Amino acid sequence: QLQLQESGPGLVKPSETLSLTCTVSGGSVSSSSYYWAWIRQSPGKGLEWIGSVYYSGSTYYNPSLKNRVTISRDTSKNQFSLKLSSVTAADTAVYYCARHDYDLWTNYYKYYFDYWGQGTLVTVSS
Amino acid sequence: SSELTQDPAVSVALGQTVRITCQGDSLRRSYATWYQQKPGQAPVIVIFDNKNRPSGIPDRFSGSTSGNSASLTITGAQAEDEADYYCNSRGSTGDHLVVFGGGTKLTVL
Repeated sequence: QLQLQESGPGLVKPSETLSLTCTVSGGSVSSSSYYWAWIRQSPGKGLEWIGSVYYSGSTYYNPSLKNRVTISRDTSKNQFSLKLSSVTAADTAVYYCARHDYDLWTNYYKYYFDYWGQGTLVTVSS
Repeated sequence: SSELTQDPAVSVALGQTVRITCQGDSLRRSYATWYQQKPGQAPVIVIFDNKNRPSGIPDRFSGSTSGNSASLTITGAQAEDEADYYCNSRGSTGDHLVVFGGGTKLTVL
């Protein structure tokens, strides 16, 4: 059974960089069949896709965050990571990591997420 | 504002039928997925690819589409169905971009 687990600081100061890691077990970030994503949810608000990374390192980002986001993967550790720079209070949220399918042969990228981590709350405050 | 529009809140009497809708131009050419999210939990897919139900999801959940709109119907709502429901699909501004609706809070009376 695939499991994803987010980890990282729960408190980040304004203007600093938020860094989170997602550890994958029961599956591999080296698989060509999946993209690995970060999604966040501000308190009492809806879901916002941040971006996704493929095993090759190829990435796609939400245009509204693109200038501040870097998502990468570490195949040796079976992890993928999120860095969000210049954070403000508006970046306070529960951050989820998740998986979505990709069919290499048909180039069919699925837009939904079938496995999620439990989420981790990151608060931006001085 | 989101590219996918949902009513913020909907209520239904126990055992009755409720429809939750999601509107957006991208739904004309891309599949919709519906998630159920209960407080303190990660979202769970209840419908994917417009109308398909994952194993383990009760058959009272169904999905449909028409034009630029997708719908999630719960036939015979149960108390445990009270939750937030989100639709998601492809973004309209480019391939590989993902969008979510703003979510609908379902109250079962």
